[in-house]
Amino acid sequence: GAGVSQTPSNKVTEKGKYVELRCDPISGHTALYWYRQSLGQGPEFLIYFQGTGAADDSGLPNDRFFAVRPEGSVSTLKIQRTERGDSAVYLCASSLNKVSPLHFGNGTRLTVT
Amino acid sequence: DQQVKQNSPSLSVQEGRISILNCDYTNSMFDYFLWYKKYPAEGPTFLISISSIKDKNEDGRFTVFLNKSAKHLSLHIVPSQPGDSAVYFCAGFKNYGGSQGNLIFGKGTKLSVKP
Repeated sequence: GAGVSQTPSNKVTEKGKYVELRCDPISGHTALYWYRQSLGQGPEFLIYFQGTGAADDSGLPNDRFFAVRPEGSVSTLKIQRTERGDSAVYLCASSLNKVSPLHFGNGTRLTVT
Repeated sequence: DQQVKQNSPSLSVQEGRISILNCDYTNSMFDYFLWYKKYPAEGPTFLISISSIKDKNEDGRFTVFLNKSAKHLSLHIVPSQPGDSAVYFCAGFKNYGGSQGNLIFGKGTKLSVKP
């Protein structure tokens, strides 16, 4: 079946703008995760949803970052007042439950100029 | 502080030979470890995992070894194939009721398998 889908695949925005990144998880997967990968680093946890609720948002770097999953399926990561340091690949992953292996999407490459 | 360390940023191996990728960790609370493989412009793909109650897990050409006393694990690929060329990430997490949102990744090792 279809894997995790992330759109857009690339996003270039100016410093100070607002961006939204979308994730469509694998159908039936209740757990959804957002990670961020900067150049030369491994993926870094941002937030985890179990169903509609954010079960763990301890990885969000500051209050400019926010994520929602209103119907327990699609999720949107929102970044306000973007900064150049936000440039990274934002990875979404889903899993059948919280201890099953994560299935990652191909990521959204965000570039803030 | 890096809780998961992959000290070799790259590794080059001849096709058919063994590839050994190493990973060290500092957090003694980790009780589950995973290896992910990543091709360019794609997301990481789960490869193999091991619980801390085991010292070895094997899946086809891939074997992961865990040495808890040394806080060290390694991934062996035998025989290596050109299609194995990718970046390999080691990750650890605490399976006490948390989720894999608590996965802590290393920086990765880029494996190149030459024909």
